[in-house]
Order: sequence, then structure tokens, then C-alpha cells
Amino acid sequence: AQSVTQLDSQVPVFEEAPVELRCNYSSSVSVYLFWYVQYPNQGLQLLLKYLSGSTLVKGINGFEAEFNKSQTSFHLRKPSVHISDTAEYFCAVSKTPGNTPLVFGKGTRLSVIA
Amino acid sequence: GAVVSQHPSRVICKSGTSVKIECRSLDFQATTMFWYRQFPKKSLMLMATSNEGSKATYEQGVEKDKFLINHASLTLSTLTVTSAHPEDSSFYICSARKGGDGQPQHFGDGTRLSIL
Repeated sequence: AQSVTQLDSQVPVFEEAPVELRCNYSSSVSVYLFWYVQYPNQGLQLLLKYLSGSTLVKGINGFEAEFNKSQTSFHLRKPSVHISDTAEYFCAVSKTPGNTPLVFGKGTRLSVIA
Repeated sequence: GAVVSQHPSRVICKSGTSVKIECRSLDFQATTMFWYRQFPKKSLMLMATSNEGSKATYEQGVEKDKFLINHASLTLSTLTVTSAHPEDSSFYICSARKGGDGQPQHFGDGTRLSIL
């Protein structure tokens, strides 16, 4: 079975500062990796995904993530955050190949401070 | 592309009422749809997975007779909470996925269900 650990439940950061949200996963098989963002009272929006190929993945809203197989990590980064980035961020994995459901981490609340 | 519409966005009803929530993929055919429940400040808990034309697969601990799922077409799945009680109050989110390996799940905006 797969599992996802998001080590930080809350991350406060000042506006225009860089941020890294950490994600580690555990799996005995190959996985696909995803980051989603959830704004208050809304569903989840896909930020980016890693399926194969280049380990550095660029997503929407200036976010990027790097897959590190040896450390089983998929940390999300942004060089300069905005107030509008304040939201809940979820890391998720699914088994490959196949159509298994996503397994989510517990989420990280990013709060951007003016 | 890949828009998922969920309706209604908010429901308030009396205990004992049955509530139906619809999930539609607007611009793609969803081979598989998923229903999640989210408690305040918590992650998403998968309730069930449904494939078009098949019975839903429920996660352990989720009552099949309580949470009825129908996936009648490639663009529509419904979740009916039967005889709802206050403990069923929650945020319910659906997601849909196209066929094919590595496809991401696309999420609806959720339904806030409040049972009085």
C-alpha cells in the first residue's frame, strides 16, 4: 500500500519570500505523484504531476516540484509567493500502472503574510 | 479542459431526509469517478470508486446502504445519502478521471451537507 507524509501541517511565510512544502511517500511499487491546491470551500485543483521523465516538474501559478526517488520525496516549491497562494496543499500518489485512486497526505496549510 | 461540476454546493436539511449530490464531467468522459468526504481541517477520505455501468467499490467502513452511488453514464455519477443524520454532516467532494494510464483526478467544488 502507498502512504504520503506531509511533515508540516502549517507553513507561514511572508509575501514574496520563497517556500517549500515537503512531501514524502512510501510505496513498494512505482508511483505517480501529484500536488493539488484547495481554496476555502472549494474542491481540489491540480497544480502539477510527475509521471516519468525529467524529475523537475513545472506546474501552474509558478509552482514546481522535484521528484527524488532515492529520498522518496516530491517537495513543492515556489520562489516568490503571493497573498493569493494562501490555501491548503495536498500531495498525492497513485500506483502505476492502472487506475487506482489517489492516496492523499494530510495537507499543508500555507499562509502568506503581507 | 477537464471540468467537473458538482451540485448542489450546499444543502441544509432535516434529520431523516435523503439527499442526492450530482457530479458531472462537463468536457470529458470519465471512466472512473470517486467520492470523498472531508472533515474540517482534515485530508480527504475516499468513500468509494465507481466505474460507469458497474457497482461502486466502497472503502472499508463506508456503509453501502447509507451512501448509494450510481454511475449511470460516462459523465454523471450521483451520491445519495439516505436517511441522513447530523453525524453525516460534512464536505463531500467528487472527482472524475479519464481512461488511460497516469491520468489525474479532476475535482468538483464540493458539497457542504448540514443535517439539522
